[in-house]
Amino acid sequence: GAVVSQHPSWVICKSGTSVKIECRSLDFQATTMFWYRQFPKQSLMLMATSNEGSKATYEQGVEKDKFLINHASLTLSTLTVTSAHPEDSSFYICSAFRDRVNQPQHFGDGTRLSIL
Amino acid sequence: QKEVEQNSGPLSVPEGAIASLNCTYSDRGSQSFFWYRQYSGKSPELIMSIYSNGDKEDGRFTAQLNKASQYVSLLIRDSQPSDSATYLCAVPRGRNEKLTFGTGTRLTIIP
Repeated sequence: GAVVSQHPSWVICKSGTSVKIECRSLDFQATTMFWYRQFPKQSLMLMATSNEGSKATYEQGVEKDKFLINHASLTLSTLTVTSAHPEDSSFYICSAFRDRVNQPQHFGDGTRLSIL
Repeated sequence: QKEVEQNSGPLSVPEGAIASLNCTYSDRGSQSFFWYRQYSGKSPELIMSIYSNGDKEDGRFTAQLNKASQYVSLLIRDSQPSDSATYLCAVPRGRNEKLTFGTGTRLTIIP
């Protein structure tokens, strides 16, 4: 199956720090990548849709200045959580999608972010 | 009506039995359907996709689709404790972009 690599898998940092998370599609070109957040015992929440070479589309209620997304190539998207605070602590998951009919999203392993 | 509905469970099934997970969707135009498995603390993993009416089998897993009834199910035969997880039904919105997820069914296989 398709492989999506997400790095780092685990981050602990102080409040006010900015954290960058990378999402790489290793064996196919991903025209679209998605970023999700998941709090304990809750459903996945879509944060934004990232298309290569264009600005990300954010879901309602997600601060674009807080969560910076860059999709510089067909295999790499990054999410930067700027000036992170404890309430940003969560499990962040990316997925990659190849824009062909009936293709599924393939998820990375996720990044667990803890802000002290 | 929610776009994608699943029973949240928990669903408990004895080891070796068949686990049956159900999902209904509201958009009659939906063309593809996915089942993801998510272990606690991990990200979702694609286990089955189905596009045509009928059954699709892959090992111990069988997906069933009935577009007339807007119903998709997942059967797990010979259930193992390692099958204990949350199972997410997902349906693309529009042309294969964003996925609408059900709330997930938490499955526990009892040894």
